[in-house]
Amino acid sequence: EDKVVQSPLSLVVHEGDTVTLNCSYEVTNFRSLLWYKQEKKAPTFLFMLTSSGIEKKSGRLSSILDKKELSSILNITATQTGDSAIYLCAYDNYGQNFVFGPGTRLSVLP
Amino acid sequence: NAGVTQTPKFQVLKTGQSMTLQCAQDMNHNSMYWYRQDPGMGLRLIYYSASEGTTDKGEVPNGYNVSRLNKREFSLRLESAAPSQTSVYFCASSEARLAGLTYEQYFGPGTRLTVT
Repeated sequence: EDKVVQSPLSLVVHEGDTVTLNCSYEVTNFRSLLWYKQEKKAPTFLFMLTSSGIEKKSGRLSSILDKKELSSILNITATQTGDSAIYLCAYDNYGQNFVFGPGTRLSVLP
Repeated sequence: NAGVTQTPKFQVLKTGQSMTLQCAQDMNHNSMYWYRQDPGMGLRLIYYSASEGTTDKGEVPNGYNVSRLNKREFSLRLESAAPSQTSVYFCASSEARLAGLTYEQYFGPGTRLTVT
């Protein structure tokens, strides 16, 4: 059965810290991996990764995929309270749907 | 440009009651999805519609039915609600997933459903 594992499930840091969130997957077919940020309501798209070793970057956030290790990381540098959210990763398994992980709940304290 | 809209935002049902959750998108997307989100479980796919006129089961379809009314609208129906269906429901849409390409999904604001 295809599945996505995220770690840690919960994380509390202080503003200015750097965090690394992990996502690993066990899949039969892999096309791409996506990261979403979920604040109070709907998840919003952050990154899509299809190739190993190529870093995607947006401001203080960056992400990279390792197909050999079946994993991805999401880094957030100089965290701010506005980064507090649930971070979801999902993969596209060539089917008509996506499989989501349980999410990492990040809390950034002032 | 409203994106993906869902109604209602909140709903309380009694066991055995029925209801329909409505979803509409104005981005001309071909594919639409219904998910449920429970604590610690991430998002689980209930049903999806790859294009107008087609629907398929996802990971957790039991107890639900869907209708792709037209390209814009995709509704989710609970025929006889059960407490296990207490959850937050999200609708999403995306471009058609063709030719080996993945497109990100755009999510609606969610419906918080409680079944007592």
